[in-house]
Amino acid sequence: DIVLTQSPATLSVTPGESVSLSCRASQGISTSIHWYQQKSNESPRLLIKFASQSISGIPSRFSGSGSGTDFTLSINRVESEDFSVYYCQQSYSLPRTFGAGTKLELK
Amino acid sequence: EVQLQESGPGLVKPSQSLSLTCSVTGYSITSNYWGWIRKFPGNKMEWMGYISYSGSTSYNPSLKSRISITRDTSKNQFFLQLNSVTTEDTATYYCARYDYGSFFDYWGQGVMVTVSS
Repeated sequence: DIVLTQSPATLSVTPGESVSLSCRASQGISTSIHWYQQKSNESPRLLIKFASQSISGIPSRFSGSGSGTDFTLSINRVESEDFSVYYCQQSYSLPRTFGAGTKLELK
Repeated sequence: EVQLQESGPGLVKPSQSLSLTCSVTGYSITSNYWGWIRKFPGNKMEWMGYISYSGSTSYNPSLKSRISITRDTSKNQFFLQLNSVTTEDTATYYCARYDYGSFFDYWGQGVMVTVSS
């Protein structure tokens, strides 16, 4: 199985800061990575598909980059509604796997 | 708009079977792929499996022969059955549209299932 390692586990920031969340794959997966946001007591929401492709309705402050084994989700100028947990998921091979998540919290 | 909703018991006894239904509106399950994902206490997410537009299935090997995903196209529903559950199957279970086997773009609200005697 492909292991996705997300770092850091927790990121403490103040609104207005820009942040980068990392997802590293245990083997090369091209751009077959997708990012989700999950707020407390809500379902996950798709933010970015195939490493860098935007999703309709998602604010433009969210962007993704990377290929191979290293991927980044960037949030430009964090807003209060962005404090939640972020997951990456790979679709390169079966079984599909998720990272353990990065919690973005208010400093 | 595509909407999904899970339903089923919130409490299951150890060694019994867990059965959940996902009702889909706004899109036919005879198109695309449809999956089950669960989130354990502590936030770990696990892909459980999917059923395709044709009815073919694929499962996470970690679930071995305990899992079955089926569907009723007349009701636009698909189902999860997980046999011989243990307390380690306690989780929130989500159904989702699994866009051509890549990413999950529409999710149900999730149903919390506790395995306990």
